[in-house]
Amino acid sequence: EAQVTQNPRYLITVTGKKLTVTCSQNMNHEYMSWYRQDPGLGLRQIYYSMNVEVTDKGDVPEGYKVSRKEKRNFPLILESPSPNQTSLYFCASRSGTSKETQYFGPGTRLLVL
Amino acid sequence: QKEVEQDPGPLSVPEGAIVSLNCTYSNSAFQYFMWYRQYSRKGPELLMYTYSSGNKEDGRFTAQVDKSSKYISLFIRDSQPSDSATYLCAMSETGGFKTIFGAGTRLFVKA
Repeated sequence: EAQVTQNPRYLITVTGKKLTVTCSQNMNHEYMSWYRQDPGLGLRQIYYSMNVEVTDKGDVPEGYKVSRKEKRNFPLILESPSPNQTSLYFCASRSGTSKETQYFGPGTRLLVL
Repeated sequence: QKEVEQDPGPLSVPEGAIVSLNCTYSNSAFQYFMWYRQYSRKGPELLMYTYSSGNKEDGRFTAQVDKSSKYISLFIRDSQPSDSATYLCAMSETGGFKTIFGAGTRLFVKA
């Protein structure tokens, strides 16, 4: 089954404690992306990756890091989380030739105290 | 001003009604226009997409793009309670890697 998986699905942490949210896709997609979703603001792109070892900033990259060492994985790293990073996070992937069809993961709900 | 504006609703309609969902945008370089449906506690899933202007129909759903007015619409005919969800419009430029989403419209279809 084609899918994007994220872990963990729910996470409560404290300010300053480094965390990583993993994302994996099994569709051999070149393009992967991270979004955060906040009430009234919709989905905002944090970082995206066009292929292995190629990443770039989206609209709200501050406080986040990413890496793309393998095609299937695209982890999101919060080095020093702050309460304003409390949000619902989605990973997405698409093929390089299909600009419109993004497949989203189930989401990770993060609470930073 | 946001690049993409979408009324968050909520929009409540009776079963069988025709639903109209809309977004406006400011970036004339947008060429790909998408509609995603998001059920509660789920990730968005692609519902419809159009490239440039025009209409596209798929079953009960019709997507319209009016680039001259920078306005896109999604129509749902014979709406069903299972259509109750948040609908997000999204747009991107040709050759671009960024997708800009609207805030989403919450739709309730009452049986």
